[in-house]
Amino acid sequence: SAVISQKPSRDICQRGTSLTIQCQVDSQVTMMFWYRQQPGQSLTLIATANQGSEATYESGFVIDKFPISRPNLTFSTLTVSNMSPEDSSIYLCSVGQQVNQPQHFGDGTRLSIL
Amino acid sequence: KQEVTQIPAALSVPEGENLVLNCSFTDSAIYNLQWFRQDPGKGLTSLLLIQSSQREQTSGRLNASLDKSSGRSTLYIAASQPGDSATYLCAVQGGNNRLAFGKGNQVVVIP
Repeated sequence: SAVISQKPSRDICQRGTSLTIQCQVDSQVTMMFWYRQQPGQSLTLIATANQGSEATYESGFVIDKFPISRPNLTFSTLTVSNMSPEDSSIYLCSVGQQVNQPQHFGDGTRLSIL
Repeated sequence: KQEVTQIPAALSVPEGENLVLNCSFTDSAIYNLQWFRQDPGKGLTSLLLIQSSQREQTSGRLNASLDKSSGRSTLYIAASQPGDSATYLCAVQGGNNRLAFGKGNQVVVIP
């Protein structure tokens, strides 16, 4: 399976600032996704990162708050903008090749907002 | 909207016992169901994927069953070991490749 690297692995940020999380895959993948895991909760899909076009956001998530880029088939970024303590979560990147094949996840980025 | 429920939320078992983890989902129109393991401070590791047309999948000591019509899956872990201690997540894949996750079964295997 693909090797997925996320950076940073963790960060502590000030309220009102923005942070960009990177997801690098060691091979070309068809699908890339960004998830959020709030404390004590399960994973929630933020958006599907589309190569060369705007991301597809899930209900409750907007581009102004979570801008996403995917310039090629191996790399994507998620920015968490104008952060507040409610944004303290683990953010995870996942990749997949085809429907009915497993999705694989990076180790996540643990974000704390003061 | 797909809702995924995992019961029990947490359990402790003595080493050597078999583990039974349950997952239920509300919409049976799924492509597949995937079980993951999450260790503290880590991402998710894919354990098993069951296609919607399949009834079960096995990998080593792990066996997962799927009853799509009733919206249920069970993960069996035989002869549990302390290294099996982790949170196990169930996820179902619907349209547009989206995964809907349960909250997980937090497992502690006591030596």
